[in-house]
Amino acid sequence: DTEVTQTPKHLVMGMTNKKSLKCEQHMGHRAMYWYKQKAKKPPELMFVYSYEKLSINESVPSRFSPECPNSSLLNLHLHALQPEDSALYLCASSQVRTGNTEAFFGQGTRLTVV
Amino acid sequence: AQSVTQPDIHITVSEGASLELRCNYSYGATPYLFWYVQSPGQGLQLLLKYFSGDTLVQGIKGFEAEFKRSQSSFNLRKPSVHWSDAAEYFCAVGPSNTGKLIFGQGTTLQVKP
Repeated sequence: DTEVTQTPKHLVMGMTNKKSLKCEQHMGHRAMYWYKQKAKKPPELMFVYSYEKLSINESVPSRFSPECPNSSLLNLHLHALQPEDSALYLCASSQVRTGNTEAFFGQGTRLTVV
Repeated sequence: AQSVTQPDIHITVSEGASLELRCNYSYGATPYLFWYVQSPGQGLQLLLKYFSGDTLVQGIKGFEAEFKRSQSSFNLRKPSVHWSDAAEYFCAVGPSNTGKLIFGQGTTLQVKP
């Protein structure tokens, strides 16, 4: 199984809503990532979890709150978002070790903030 | 500073023609290089990667890329393009042990019948 599964595929939320994005992988990867991708732009790293601990936060606003409850799951909790936060949110996972590794990406959640 | 440059924003080729997408990088350490493809509204699929060894790497879907350290380049090639290859292509660089990638701006490939 080389899949990273993201749910939901599409999400529309109001600026006062609270919602969560979910990501799951069963490849035994101990590093997981959230990327944000605006239309016609490359993905931008938001957060990195290594061994279920937050290791990188790329100065993301606090209205985005990541959580890694176990080695297979990664959540992104959303609260009080702005319309400019509308984007494709991509989850990825990889092994954590020196040497030959690569990141596997999910299909993304298309988020629209209204 | 670490960066990736894809000079061509948009490329149009005829089906059956050859393809080369350019990628130049700036990276302080030994670069680990990747090419990803993204269809509209989809996630990223890894086409190929270079970590070390043979500088010509083969990937999926008939793609290959050549690492040229002297030119800081990692260009993607395909001898004969298919209509299904139309997509966005991203070159990326990163450390070998994480998925923290730096992406280029992407090249949109359009394939003419």
